[in-house]
Amino acid sequence: DQQVKQNSPSLSVQEGRISILNCDYTNSMFDYFLWYKKYPAEGPTFLISISSIKDKNEDGRFTVFLNKSAKHLSLHIVPSQPGDSAVYFCAASVTGSARQLTFGSGTQLTVLP
Amino acid sequence: NAGVTQTPKFQVLKTGQSMTLQCAQDMNHNSMYWYRQDPGMGLRLIYYSASEGTTDKGEVPNGYNVSRLNKREFSLRLESAAPSQTSVYFCASVVGVVWNNEQFFGPGTRLTVL
Repeated sequence: DQQVKQNSPSLSVQEGRISILNCDYTNSMFDYFLWYKKYPAEGPTFLISISSIKDKNEDGRFTVFLNKSAKHLSLHIVPSQPGDSAVYFCAASVTGSARQLTFGSGTQLTVLP
Repeated sequence: NAGVTQTPKFQVLKTGQSMTLQCAQDMNHNSMYWYRQDPGMGLRLIYYSASEGTTDKGEVPNGYNVSRLNKREFSLRLESAAPSQTSVYFCASVVGVVWNNEQFFGPGTRLTVL
């Protein structure tokens, strides 16, 4: 049973427009959420995170929104740039679980020039 | 700082062979993790070490063993490799398990078992 789901395997957007990547989870115990970006042949790199006590966190062009009642989070990238083209993974953890991360299957974002 | 390093980058094994994947971090992190990534799937946790001297099973531990050699190094061993273990393996570390912090990942080891 997948506890973290990214239902869109791919997304294409035009340079300069907004990219919105979505993630749903089923485990209500998750209290910390992260987004990672991954380029081919590299390891995932941390992008942004949010604690369950917040509903929004911003870092430059990246904003993560958390809707706890819907068990849904989203990553907004504004404006999108060609260098943002990568696979984006949503991940979640539970306090007291030794920070084990449960990952979604990823969304391939392509930003078209 | 090199961050998290992994060796080797690539490896091809025959069914039944054994090998050890090495991971080291130079960030003085307490906790380390091994994940595997298969096509179309997210990363899945194999084993982790919350602190030096401790190791625990993750979601998919069967067929693997680990050793936390010291604070810096955490190795993953395949005693008798199987084709189902063909995957990309990532090591990660984090400052510790008490506070919310991001995990830092190594570049990965691409393993093929024939």
